[in-house]
Amino acid sequence: DAGVIQSPRHEVTEMGQEVTLRCKPISGHNSLFWYRQTMMRGLELLIYFNNNVPIDDSGMPEDRFSAKMPNASFSTLKIQPSEPRDSAVYFCASSAKRGLSGYTFGSGTRLTVV
Amino acid sequence: KQEVTQIPAALSVPEGENLVLNCSFTDSAIYNLQWFRQDPGKGLTSLLLIQSSQREQTSGRLNASLDKSSGRSTLYIAASQPGDSATYLCAFMFSGGYNKLIFGAGTRLAVHP
Repeated sequence: DAGVIQSPRHEVTEMGQEVTLRCKPISGHNSLFWYRQTMMRGLELLIYFNNNVPIDDSGMPEDRFSAKMPNASFSTLKIQPSEPRDSAVYFCASSAKRGLSGYTFGSGTRLTVV
Repeated sequence: KQEVTQIPAALSVPEGENLVLNCSFTDSAIYNLQWFRQDPGKGLTSLLLIQSSQREQTSGRLNASLDKSSGRSTLYIAASQPGDSATYLCAFMFSGGYNKLIFGAGTRLAVHP
């Protein structure tokens, strides 16, 4: 298995632009999670999906952030418009069978908004 | 509120020492816990997973324990090596909900030759 695949690995964009981050979970995993990591706040759960349905989006910082999971093998996290304070590393993770096998994380997308 | 605390925040030791990293949690309704390693600028690598019915798990020089009654988990690293230098994070999945994993802030470990 190729693991959780995220793209792009790095993204540099100007303030106000739309940013779309992508994630492909491990095949067969039914839960998908988006996390954000910063030096100040550590790892924060933004949103998670179970069987493609958003379960808890209380971690999404504001309306500029949105996430979708149109099918079991793909999810996106969109920021529109982006702001410098959105600069962080965004991780996607997936798990199966209510976490019996634990979480597997992708390599992350390092976002820089200038 | 479910919280996870890791102590110490940072640790610097000479090569060869045995180490204990601590993690505590406020909710005893644990489903499982997972220890991760994160190298600078990299993603998270899963080290050990302990289900709530288990007391410990071992992998090579690593041993993780879970004590639900005291609300603690420890990660023991035997005979530390410079290659062990990284940030170690514990994370809990609590019962009563979906697969939500809550992370501690991590322990930054430096092992010097």
